[in-house]
Amino acid sequence: QVQLVESGGGVVQPGRSLRLSCAASGFTFNNYAMHWVRQAPGKGLEWVAVISTDGSDKHYADSVKGRFTISRDNSQNTLHLQMNTLRAEDTAMYFCARDLSRAARYYFDSWGQGTLVTGSS
Amino acid sequence: EIVLTQSPATLSLSPGERATLSCRASQSVSSHLAWYQQKPGQAPRLLIYDASNRATGIPARFSGSGSGTDFTLTISSLEPEDFAVYYCQQRSDWPRITFGQGTRLEIK
Repeated sequence: QVQLVESGGGVVQPGRSLRLSCAASGFTFNNYAMHWVRQAPGKGLEWVAVISTDGSDKHYADSVKGRFTISRDNSQNTLHLQMNTLRAEDTAMYFCARDLSRAARYYFDSWGQGTLVTGSS
Repeated sequence: EIVLTQSPATLSLSPGERATLSCRASQSVSSHLAWYQQKPGQAPRLLIYDASNRATGIPARFSGSGSGTDFTLTISSLEPEDFAVYYCQQRSDWPRITFGQGTRLEIK
C-alpha cells in the first residue's frame, strides 16, 4: 500500500533553515507529481509546493516563494523541502502528499502523517 | 486568490441522518473542486475530486455535486466514523491552490 513518511521537523529559530524529507513506498514514485501541504496548529490547510515527476517543473505558494525549495530524488523515492529564512508563521504540520496523477492535477490522494515544524526564539 | 467559504462552520447531526455541507467559491472554479475529510491527529483523506468523482475506496454514501461557484458534499446516512472536519479545495486557479476553512461535523 502507498506509504509516505515525513521526517526532519523540529524547533527552529526564526531566520534559520530546516530540511524536510518524505520517504515514499508502495507505488512507482517517479510516476506521480508530489506536493507539500501544511497546517498551522488548530487551523486549516495550506498548499505549499509541487514538483513534477522528473523534477523539472516546480511551483510555490506566494507565502513561501523565494524561501522554500522543493526537490525529489527518484533513485531514492524521496521528496524534500528545503526551508530557509523561517518565520514564526511557518509553524505548522507539514504533510507530504501524492498527486492524483502523473501530470499535476493538484488533488492529493495520499498523505503522510506529517512532521511538525515549530518556529521559536 | 479564489476564496472558498464553507458553511455551516459546525454541523450537529445524529448517526443515520443526512449531512449536507456547502462550499462557495468567490469566482467560478468550473468543476475543479475536491473534498477532504480530516479526523483529529490524522492526515486529510481525499473523498471527492472534480466536484463529483469519488476517490478510490470512498463509500457510496459520500457524494459531491455542483459547478461554477456552488458545491455540495452530501453524506446520505451518517456512520459514527464520519464525524470529522471536512475541507473543500479548488485547483482551478493552479498553482494558487486554496482550501476552505472547514466544516466540523459533530455528533448531536
